[in-house]
Amino acid sequence: SYGLTQPPSVSVAPGTTARITCGGNNIGGESVHWYQQRPGQAPVLVIYYDSDRPSGIPERFSGSNSGNTATLTISRVEAEDEADYYCQVWDNSGDHYVFGTGTKVTVL
Amino acid sequence: EVQLVESGGGLVQPGGSLRLSCAASGFTFNTYAMNWVRQAPGKGLEWVSLISGNGGTTFYADSVKGRFTISRDTSRNTLHLQMNSLRAEDTAVYYCARLGEENTFGSVPFDSWGQGTLVIVSS
Repeated sequence: SYGLTQPPSVSVAPGTTARITCGGNNIGGESVHWYQQRPGQAPVLVIYYDSDRPSGIPERFSGSNSGNTATLTISRVEAEDEADYYCQVWDNSGDHYVFGTGTKVTVL
Repeated sequence: EVQLVESGGGLVQPGGSLRLSCAASGFTFNTYAMNWVRQAPGKGLEWVSLISGNGGTTFYADSVKGRFTISRDTSRNTLHLQMNSLRAEDTAVYYCARLGEENTFGSVPFDSWGQGTLVIVSS
């Protein structure tokens, strides 16, 4: 089955840039969505279709997808960005959704 | 405003059954595919099941196939998950989530989530 690999953790200082990768076989040919999950809360969609941003999500959040890696970028990181982040795709071959392993972003 | 409210979680013994519900409001329920996603304590997100807007298509994760059944009651705007033969590894918070586009499924994001209901499978 299709697997998505993310780094377990990323630590960044406030005001700097956090980059979270999501690795998968030819993921560049898939549509990737990203979710933010703060402790004790439900996930929230922050990027969809690789790079689109839902209304209400700060412009600091952006996404890209090419080759075997999709990337979520958080610019000018703020304390409120501290959360777990998950990438997600639809696996056509298995008719199921796949979530990445998740990345915990810590703001130092 | 889209609202999804899960209920039905609780403590159940291994081998037992439980039925989860998700009450939906704020949108035309029968035009959106719906999903169940779960999260074991301290673990990541795991997709469980999908049902199309008209209920005619369902998909399941291999880990629950043959044990769980997803359904929807359009008259009550409610999504259900019947869980049988429960195992300790089914212990998790279960979220219902809506796909973000009408009358389709597949490469579509989950745009709305409920707050989840906790299922504990233990003797």
